[in-house]
Amino acid sequence: KAGVTQTPRYLIKTRGQQVTLSCSPISGHRSVSWYQQTPGQGLQFLFEYFSETQRNKGNFPGRFSGRQFSNSRSEMNVSTLELGDSALYLCASSSGTGNYEQYFGPGTRLTVT
Amino acid sequence: GIQVEQSPPDLILQEGANSTLRCNFSDSVNNLQWFHQNPWGQLINLFYIPSGTKQNGRLSATTVATERYSLLYISSSQTTDSGVYFCAAPKRNTDKLIFGTGTRLQVFP
Repeated sequence: KAGVTQTPRYLIKTRGQQVTLSCSPISGHRSVSWYQQTPGQGLQFLFEYFSETQRNKGNFPGRFSGRQFSNSRSEMNVSTLELGDSALYLCASSSGTGNYEQYFGPGTRLTVT
Repeated sequence: GIQVEQSPPDLILQEGANSTLRCNFSDSVNNLQWFHQNPWGQLINLFYIPSGTKQNGRLSATTVATERYSLLYISSSQTTDSGVYFCAAPKRNTDKLIFGTGTRLQVFP
């Protein structure tokens, strides 16, 4: 069974631009969560989606948004990029919500210049 | 909300040594996961261990839910074990994982 895939793997953007990251969960998994990892803040939760519904949102500004499609694939968008948005963005999938093992993708490394 | 703490923050070992990493959590949890972050940033699943003990090769983990801690044991460490180890527990009834700050392990030949 294929693992969680994320595209693109690396991205360089300029301040003020916007970016869309994609995550395809493991086949059959309906829950997708997103995390941001920076050296200073560690791993921080962004969003959780289950069956196309956002169930939880982390403490991030409105520039960060996401969605989930009917095939469980998820995208996250960051508008008006800032230098501080440079980070590794990780997504995870699980078959349910709450008590299920989560599996992470390889991540998208975003650099904002 | 739940808080997760890991110790030690850094660990330096010689190849062949054994080590124990600790994860404390502030509230009761329904599950707990251990991950190894590889040099490219991917989080590799090690254990899903709400309670009890599990073993996988040179690695084993024990969670004592009633005392709110989990331990990860690495025996006969190898250079490929180097990296950052995270434990994480979900906020109740969600998939929102709360991560510890990690233990950075360096294994030298």
